[in-house]
Amino acid sequence: GQNIDQPTEMTATEGAIVQINCTYQTSGFNGLFWYQQHAGEAPTFLSYNVLDGLEEKGRFSSFLSRSKGYSYLLLKELQMKDSASYLCAVRDSNYQLIWGAGTKLIIKP
Amino acid sequence: GAVVSQHPSWVICKSGTSVKIECRSLDFQATTMFWYRQFPKQSLMLMATSNEGSKATYEQGVEKDKFLINHASLTLSTLTVTSAHPEDSSFYICSARGTYDYEQYFGPGTRLTVT
Repeated sequence: GQNIDQPTEMTATEGAIVQINCTYQTSGFNGLFWYQQHAGEAPTFLSYNVLDGLEEKGRFSSFLSRSKGYSYLLLKELQMKDSASYLCAVRDSNYQLIWGAGTKLIIKP
Repeated sequence: GAVVSQHPSWVICKSGTSVKIECRSLDFQATTMFWYRQFPKQSLMLMATSNEGSKATYEQGVEKDKFLINHASLTLSTLTVTSAHPEDSSFYICSARGTYDYEQYFGPGTRLTVT
């Protein structure tokens, strides 16, 4: 079966750095996405990785290792507004997005 | 950037009635649209995938006669929840993807409450 694992909840301090991990087992791989979702709102796109390595975009970076079936989202200089759920999703061989359950990130002052 | 709108943003209806939710791609042609449902504190659950001009493909466990999806044009898809029941109360989100695009663009979602 297809499976995406990410921690249910994480807590971090304002100004700090946090890494949210995602491991996946899917039938084929055509890219990995990270989305941010604030409570009561739709997801918004953060990053896309299809090749191994690190993609940096401002305070957010995303890393992919296809051989390990592993990705992480790195958030630097955390702000209170970063409190949200972070969803990892993998596009499989049928170009369907398989979603993780999301990681709720709580930022404390 | 690509914008997807949904209407209405929230709706309250009585049990047994039908509700239609619209999803529009405002500045691009969406060859594929996706409908998701999300219950509180749970992840997105894909309900169906629709390609313009063809019938939607429903995920296992989703009743196609209850959740009617129409993707008649490259900019509009509709989801009709027929004979709604309180257990259909949820957050319904659509997303759209262009022909040569890898990204799905999400609408703002519609919160449905069935009383």
